[in-house]
Amino acid sequence: AQTVTQSQPEMSVQEAETVTLSCTYDTSENNYYLFWYKQPPSRQMILVIRQEAYKQQNATENRFSVNFQKAAKSFSLKISDSQLGDTAMYFCAFMKNTGNQFYFGTGTSLTVIP
Amino acid sequence: GAGVSQSPSNKVTEKGKDVELRCDPISGHTALYWYRQSLGQGLEFLIYFQGNSAPDKSGLPSDRFSAERTGGSVSTLTIQRTQQEDSAVYLCASSLGLGTGGRHSPLHFGNGTRLTVT
Repeated sequence: AQTVTQSQPEMSVQEAETVTLSCTYDTSENNYYLFWYKQPPSRQMILVIRQEAYKQQNATENRFSVNFQKAAKSFSLKISDSQLGDTAMYFCAFMKNTGNQFYFGTGTSLTVIP
Repeated sequence: GAGVSQSPSNKVTEKGKDVELRCDPISGHTALYWYRQSLGQGLEFLIYFQGNSAPDKSGLPSDRFSAERTGGSVSTLTIQRTQQEDSAVYLCASSLGLGTGGRHSPLHFGNGTRLTVT
Protein backbone atom coordinates (compact mmCIF):
# COMPACT_ATOMS: atom_id res chain seq x y z
CA ALA A 1 0.00 0.00 0.00
CA GLN A 2 1.05 3.54 -0.63
CA THR A 3 1.16 6.05 2.22
CA VAL A 4 1.82 9.76 2.20
CA THR A 5 2.99 11.53 5.35
CA GLN A 6 2.93 15.23 6.09
CA SER A 7 4.49 15.71 9.49
CA GLN A 8 3.70 19.41 9.90
CA PRO A 9 0.02 19.94 10.74
CA GLU A 10 0.44 23.72 10.94
CA MET A 11 3.00 26.24 9.78
CA SER A 12 3.26 29.98 9.52
CA VAL A 13 5.49 32.31 7.57
CA GLN A 14 5.97 36.06 7.32
CA GLU A 15 4.83 37.68 4.14
CA ALA A 16 7.62 37.80 1.51
CA GLU A 17 9.60 35.08 3.31
CA THR A 18 10.24 31.53 2.14
CA VAL A 19 8.68 28.43 3.65
CA THR A 20 9.16 24.72 3.00
CA LEU A 21 6.47 22.11 3.55
CA SER A 22 7.60 18.53 3.95
CA CYS A 23 6.16 15.35 2.50
CA THR A 24 7.40 11.79 2.54
CA TYR A 25 5.85 8.76 0.94
CA ASP A 26 6.22 5.03 1.01
CA THR A 27 6.01 2.93 -2.13
CA SER A 28 7.64 0.01 -3.87
CA GLU A 29 6.81 1.49 -7.27
CA ASN A 30 9.48 2.97 -9.51
CA ASN A 31 7.25 5.06 -11.76
CA TYR A 32 4.73 7.39 -10.22
CA TYR A 33 3.50 10.96 -9.97
CA LEU A 34 3.63 13.38 -7.07
CA PHE A 35 1.46 16.43 -6.62
CA TRP A 36 0.96 19.34 -4.29
CA TYR A 37 -2.59 20.66 -4.00
CA LYS A 38 -3.71 23.83 -2.26
CA GLN A 39 -7.09 24.13 -0.53
CA PRO A 40 -8.00 27.72 0.42
CA PRO A 41 -10.97 28.51 2.69
CA SER A 42 -13.22 28.31 -0.37
CA ARG A 43 -12.64 24.54 -0.15
CA GLN A 44 -11.71 24.08 -3.80
CA MET A 45 -8.56 22.04 -4.23
CA ILE A 46 -6.19 23.59 -6.72
CA LEU A 47 -3.18 21.90 -8.29
CA VAL A 48 0.00 23.74 -7.35
CA ILE A 49 2.72 21.62 -8.88
CA ARG A 50 3.35 18.16 -10.27
CA GLN A 51 6.42 15.93 -10.51
CA GLU A 52 6.97 12.77 -12.50
CA ALA A 53 9.24 10.32 -10.73
CA TYR A 54 11.30 9.50 -13.80
CA LYS A 55 12.33 13.14 -14.13
CA GLN A 56 15.34 14.07 -12.04
CA GLN A 57 14.84 17.78 -12.51
CA ASN A 58 12.78 19.41 -9.80
CA ALA A 59 9.51 20.94 -10.99
CA THR A 60 9.04 24.70 -10.71
CA GLU A 61 5.94 26.86 -11.11
CA ASN A 62 6.68 30.53 -10.54
CA ARG A 63 7.13 30.98 -6.75
CA PHE A 64 6.56 27.28 -6.09
CA SER A 65 9.25 24.65 -6.43
CA VAL A 66 9.84 21.16 -5.15
CA ASN A 67 12.80 19.27 -3.79
CA PHE A 68 12.27 15.74 -5.04
CA GLN A 69 14.57 13.17 -3.45
CA LYS A 70 13.55 9.84 -4.95
CA ALA A 71 15.90 7.67 -2.93
CA ALA A 72 14.72 9.28 0.30
CA LYS A 73 11.09 9.24 -0.90
CA SER A 74 10.79 12.90 -0.06
CA PHE A 75 8.86 15.58 -1.93
CA SER A 76 8.97 18.96 -0.20
CA LEU A 77 7.32 22.15 -1.46
CA LYS A 78 9.10 25.48 -1.26
CA ILE A 79 7.09 28.67 -1.48
CA SER A 80 9.20 31.76 -2.14
CA ASP A 81 8.11 35.36 -1.55
CA SER A 82 5.06 34.17 0.40
CA GLN A 83 1.85 36.10 -0.23
CA LEU A 84 -1.28 36.44 1.88
CA GLY A 85 -3.18 34.48 -0.76
CA ASP A 86 -0.95 31.48 -0.10
CA THR A 87 -2.77 30.93 3.20
CA ALA A 88 -4.41 27.53 2.76
CA MET A 89 -4.21 23.82 3.49
CA TYR A 90 -1.60 22.11 1.38
CA PHE A 91 -1.91 18.45 0.50
CA CYS A 92 0.77 16.20 -0.90
CA ALA A 93 -0.48 13.41 -3.17
CA PHE A 94 0.93 10.31 -4.80
CA MET A 95 -0.29 8.33 -7.78
CA LYS A 96 1.13 5.17 -9.30
CA ASN A 97 1.86 5.34 -13.00
CA THR A 98 -0.27 2.29 -13.63
CA GLY A 99 -3.00 3.03 -11.14
CA ASN A 100 -5.95 5.30 -10.78
CA GLN A 101 -5.95 6.12 -7.10
CA PHE A 102 -4.52 9.30 -5.69
CA TYR A 103 -3.17 8.92 -2.14
CA PHE A 104 -3.25 12.11 -0.08
CA GLY A 105 -1.43 13.17 3.05
CA THR A 106 -3.27 14.71 6.01
CA GLY A 107 -2.34 18.21 4.96
CA THR A 108 -0.38 21.18 6.32
CA SER A 109 -2.23 24.34 7.28
CA LEU A 110 -0.12 27.30 6.19
CA THR A 111 -0.76 30.81 7.44
CA VAL A 112 1.00 33.77 5.87
CA ILE A 113 1.36 36.55 8.40
CA PRO A 114 1.26 40.16 7.17
CA GLY B 1 -14.69 26.54 -19.44
CA ALA B 2 -16.70 25.58 -16.37
CA GLY B 3 -15.03 23.66 -13.60
CA VAL B 4 -16.32 20.76 -11.54
CA SER B 5 -19.65 21.67 -10.00
CA GLN B 6 -21.06 20.11 -6.84
CA SER B 7 -24.45 20.54 -5.25
CA PRO B 8 -25.62 21.30 -2.70
CA SER B 9 -22.80 23.30 -1.14
CA ASN B 10 -24.07 22.48 2.32
CA LYS B 11 -26.51 19.86 3.53
CA VAL B 12 -27.87 19.37 7.02
CA THR B 13 -29.82 16.20 7.60
CA GLU B 14 -31.20 14.21 10.48
CA LYS B 15 -29.67 10.93 11.49
CA GLY B 16 -31.31 8.06 9.64
CA LYS B 17 -32.31 10.07 6.56
CA ASP B 18 -30.94 9.43 3.06
CA VAL B 19 -28.97 12.09 1.17
CA GLU B 20 -27.89 12.53 -2.44
CA LEU B 21 -24.86 14.56 -3.44
CA ARG B 22 -24.37 15.59 -7.04
CA CYS B 23 -21.26 16.16 -9.11
CA ASP B 24 -21.01 17.65 -12.61
CA PRO B 25 -17.51 16.99 -13.92
CA ILE B 26 -15.66 19.03 -16.50
CA SER B 27 -16.94 18.25 -19.96
CA GLY B 28 -14.81 15.61 -21.65
CA HIS B 29 -13.27 14.29 -18.45
CA THR B 30 -13.59 10.53 -18.43
CA ALA B 31 -12.37 9.94 -14.90
CA LEU B 32 -14.41 10.92 -11.85
CA TYR B 33 -13.53 10.49 -8.18
CA TRP B 34 -15.35 10.94 -4.90
CA TYR B 35 -13.37 11.72 -1.75
CA ARG B 36 -14.38 12.36 1.83
CA GLN B 37 -12.57 14.94 3.93
CA SER B 38 -13.14 14.85 7.66
CA LEU B 39 -11.89 17.52 10.05
CA GLY B 40 -8.16 17.15 10.59
CA GLN B 41 -7.94 14.24 8.18
CA GLY B 42 -6.61 13.85 4.70
CA LEU B 43 -8.73 12.93 1.73
CA GLU B 44 -10.28 9.50 1.97
CA PHE B 45 -10.87 7.81 -1.38
CA LEU B 46 -14.42 6.57 -1.85
CA ILE B 47 -15.05 5.58 -5.45
CA TYR B 48 -13.63 6.02 -8.95
CA PHE B 49 -15.30 5.96 -12.37
CA GLN B 50 -13.37 5.66 -15.62
CA GLY B 51 -15.33 5.80 -18.86
CA ASN B 52 -17.57 2.78 -19.27
CA SER B 53 -15.47 0.52 -17.06
CA ALA B 54 -16.80 -0.95 -13.84
CA PRO B 55 -16.22 1.56 -11.03
CA ASP B 56 -13.62 1.02 -8.34
CA LYS B 57 -15.74 0.93 -5.20
CA SER B 58 -12.98 -0.20 -2.89
CA GLY B 59 -13.08 2.96 -0.77
CA LEU B 60 -16.76 2.96 0.12
CA PRO B 61 -16.89 2.62 3.92
CA SER B 62 -20.12 0.65 4.14
CA ASP B 63 -23.04 -0.64 2.10
CA ARG B 64 -24.93 2.53 3.04
CA PHE B 65 -22.79 4.34 0.49
CA SER B 66 -23.35 4.02 -3.24
CA ALA B 67 -22.62 6.07 -6.33
CA GLU B 68 -23.72 6.19 -9.92
CA ARG B 69 -22.45 7.95 -12.97
CA THR B 70 -25.06 8.35 -15.67
CA GLY B 71 -24.08 8.71 -19.30
CA GLY B 72 -20.43 9.02 -18.38
CA SER B 73 -21.02 12.50 -17.01
CA VAL B 74 -22.99 13.48 -13.92
CA SER B 75 -22.43 11.44 -10.77
CA THR B 76 -24.56 11.04 -7.66
CA LEU B 77 -23.24 9.84 -4.32
CA THR B 78 -26.00 8.44 -2.11
CA ILE B 79 -25.71 7.85 1.61
CA GLN B 80 -28.56 5.87 3.12
CA ARG B 81 -29.58 5.96 6.78
CA THR B 82 -27.04 8.66 7.56
CA GLN B 83 -25.03 8.50 10.77
CA GLN B 84 -23.28 11.30 12.64
CA GLU B 85 -19.88 9.91 11.63
CA ASP B 86 -20.85 10.57 8.00
CA SER B 87 -20.49 14.30 8.67
CA ALA B 88 -17.69 15.54 6.45
CA VAL B 89 -16.93 17.44 3.27
CA TYR B 90 -17.50 15.28 0.22
CA LEU B 91 -15.25 16.28 -2.68
CA CYS B 92 -15.68 15.31 -6.30
CA ALA B 93 -12.86 15.49 -8.81
CA SER B 94 -12.53 14.76 -12.49
CA SER B 95 -9.64 14.32 -14.88
CA LEU B 96 -8.83 13.30 -18.41
CA GLY B 97 -7.55 10.05 -16.94
CA LEU B 98 -4.77 8.16 -18.62
CA GLY B 99 -3.65 10.26 -21.56
CA THR B 100 -1.24 9.85 -24.38
CA GLY B 101 2.11 8.37 -23.50
CA GLY B 102 0.66 6.95 -20.32
CA ARG B 103 0.68 10.29 -18.57
CA HIS B 104 -2.00 10.77 -15.98
CA SER B 105 -3.65 14.15 -15.98
CA PRO B 106 -4.11 15.90 -12.64
CA LEU B 107 -7.37 16.09 -10.73
CA HIS B 108 -9.71 19.06 -10.95
CA PHE B 109 -11.81 19.40 -7.82
CA GLY B 110 -15.20 20.87 -7.09
CA ASN B 111 -15.90 23.01 -4.03
CA GLY B 112 -17.32 20.08 -2.14
CA THR B 113 -20.52 19.45 -0.23
CA ARG B 114 -20.37 19.92 3.51
CA LEU B 115 -22.65 17.30 5.05
CA THR B 116 -23.77 17.67 8.65
CA VAL B 117 -25.76 14.87 10.25
CA THR B 118 -27.57 15.95 13.40
